[in-house]
Amino acid sequence: QKEVEQDPGPLSVPEGAIVSLNCTYSNSAFQYFMWYRQYSRKGPELLMYTYSSGNKEDGRFTAQVDKSSKYISLFIRDSQPSDSATYLCAMSRYQAGTALIFGKGTTLSVSS
Amino acid sequence: EPEVTQTPSHQVTQMGQEVILRCVPISNHLYFYWYRQILGQKVEFLVSFYNNEISEKSEIFDDQFSVERPDGSNFTLKIRSTKLEDSAMYFCASGSGANVLTFGAGSRLTVL
Repeated sequence: QKEVEQDPGPLSVPEGAIVSLNCTYSNSAFQYFMWYRQYSRKGPELLMYTYSSGNKEDGRFTAQVDKSSKYISLFIRDSQPSDSATYLCAMSRYQAGTALIFGKGTTLSVSS
Repeated sequence: EPEVTQTPSHQVTQMGQEVILRCVPISNHLYFYWYRQILGQKVEFLVSFYNNEISEKSEIFDDQFSVERPDGSNFTLKIRSTKLEDSAMYFCASGSGANVLTFGAGSRLTVL
């Protein structure tokens, strides 16, 4: 079983749709959970950061972590064409100076 | 907004040659990282560096790889004898803590 699994998509939605992106993981030691956005041939850009279980909201983005199910989600409300990118989940055991383990990424396309 | 700067943006080299990839992290950050992304694959952790020493490294980071912070601003990744499978995008990242990493735009390495 891979350490972090993420459906690569591609996922195509119309503008204004609600998007749900998900990752599952196998290592129960993960405590820190992140979502990154990556545009083609660019570096990942941090979108959301969550410690342990719970929800976090930032504008149109909501991150959810369910450690009991080893499942994390990112919801995008009122999706825009500018949201078209690859979304990467990432997680780590410790707070700093340690490896982030990434999912393979889900490619999202939002059409106007 | 502060950014992580990487050079070169693209390097082509012959198999067996040495390559040095350079990074200028964000000035007040304390943690430094190298990741790589083979085309179509996930972002993979190579090494983290803190307080002038390696804090963690992955299985990928074998004896062919080394990192150095030669002065107060640069952070380098050296590959001693490149192999075809080293062809990838290499990302430098830096952080002040809490796994909030800022990634550079990447250096694309092509080994022929």
